[in-house]
Amino acid sequence: DQQVKQNSPSLSVQEGRISILNCDYTNSMFDYFLWYKKYPAEGPTFLISISSIKDKNEDGRFTVFLNKSAKHLSLHIVPSQPGDSAVYFCAVSNAGGTSYGKLTFGQGTILTVHP
Amino acid sequence: NAGVMQNPRHLVRRRGQEARLRCSPMKGHSHVYWYRQLPEEGLKFMVYLQKENIIDESGMPKERFSAEFPKEGPSILRIQQVVRGDSAAYFCASSPREDNSGNTIYFGEGSWLTVV
Repeated sequence: DQQVKQNSPSLSVQEGRISILNCDYTNSMFDYFLWYKKYPAEGPTFLISISSIKDKNEDGRFTVFLNKSAKHLSLHIVPSQPGDSAVYFCAVSNAGGTSYGKLTFGQGTILTVHP
Repeated sequence: NAGVMQNPRHLVRRRGQEARLRCSPMKGHSHVYWYRQLPEEGLKFMVYLQKENIIDESGMPKERFSAEFPKEGPSILRIQQVVRGDSAAYFCASSPREDNSGNTIYFGEGSWLTVV
């Protein structure tokens, strides 16, 4: 029973173009959404997040979009750079109470940005 | 370096031995979480601790696994009588006591356990 799905195991993009990573979730109780980036043999690094009261959050080259009716979120990276090549995980949570910090992760998408 | 510190980074154990993984949270953080990543899978929540208290251990296997976060010292994830299926990357994360930015947690570099 996968509550969070990243249906694309990998994505290949040319440097300078846009990278779009997608994530679907099943539980409408989730109200906080995050993206993490991970290099091999390292821990995940927090990138950007969004709460359910918003539909867009932007931070530099990274923008996260949330479509609550479709239970879908996406991460846009523009322009993409070779250093962005990594595994990207979406994560969701039910904020507040004892669920604080208890995240459910997707399986990850391997992004490769070619020079 | 004020990040989440985990050690050892790599640990090899024979089947039946015990593995102890340690985690020191970021300075000022009093909430600690342990996650496990099995090969080819995403990270899975194991346990959430505050100082001297286990808050949520719903992701911990029922047997052989235990976690603590004592008043002094690092958090410890202990795996007794390890089996090959315990081979995985174990990540610790922490968050501050009061965090106005939502459920953002910050991960350490991970401890890679290999059971031979």
